[in-house]
Amino acid sequence: QKEVEQNSGPLSVPEGAIASLNCTYSDRGSQSFFWYRQYSGKSPELIMSIYSNGDKEDGRFTAQLNKASQYVSLLIRDSQPSDSATYLCAVNISPRGSYIPTFGRGTSLIVHP
Amino acid sequence: GAGVSQSPSNKVTEKGKDVELRCDPISGHTALYWYRQSLGQGLEFLIYFQGNSAPDKSGLPSDRFSAERTGGSVSTLTIQRTQQEDSAVYLCASSLGAITNTGELFFGEGSRLTVL
Repeated sequence: QKEVEQNSGPLSVPEGAIASLNCTYSDRGSQSFFWYRQYSGKSPELIMSIYSNGDKEDGRFTAQLNKASQYVSLLIRDSQPSDSATYLCAVNISPRGSYIPTFGRGTSLIVHP
Repeated sequence: GAGVSQSPSNKVTEKGKDVELRCDPISGHTALYWYRQSLGQGLEFLIYFQGNSAPDKSGLPSDRFSAERTGGSVSTLTIQRTQQEDSAVYLCASSLGAITNTGELFFGEGSRLTVL
């Protein structure tokens, strides 16, 4: 079983819609969760981090964490074509250690005008 | 510099040659990570340095791979006797460190390695 799983997509949404990206993880002891955005040919950049159950909002982005169900999601409201990218979920998984994120393979998002 | 700096940005080498990839982390960041990303694949962890502690080498795929970090700053990833399956983008990232580290990584632009 993969440690961090994401649907590879592509997820295609119209401009202005809500994009919903999901991620599940295997380690119940995980404490730290991250979403990175990676444009084609570029390196990942951190967009959200979340550490406790519930929602965390930052502008058009909302991260949702449910530790009991072992999933974390990212909602992008009012999606723009510039949001088209691959979104990587990362989780700090033991026993590797608290500070080494394990990445999912990413979900490709396409926002069409 | 303001961000993580990696060099070279592109490296083409012949099978069997050795290569060195360099990473200069963000000033003040004590944690440094190496990952690699093959075409269409996720990020594969290679090695983690934290301050003066022994590095976590658990992700290195073979003994042809090694890395060092001098003076708690610049790191060099060395691949000996390169193979075609080593072709990938090698990404370096840094973060604040153990006390304040929340696992939030800042990545360099990567070094694209092509082994012919």
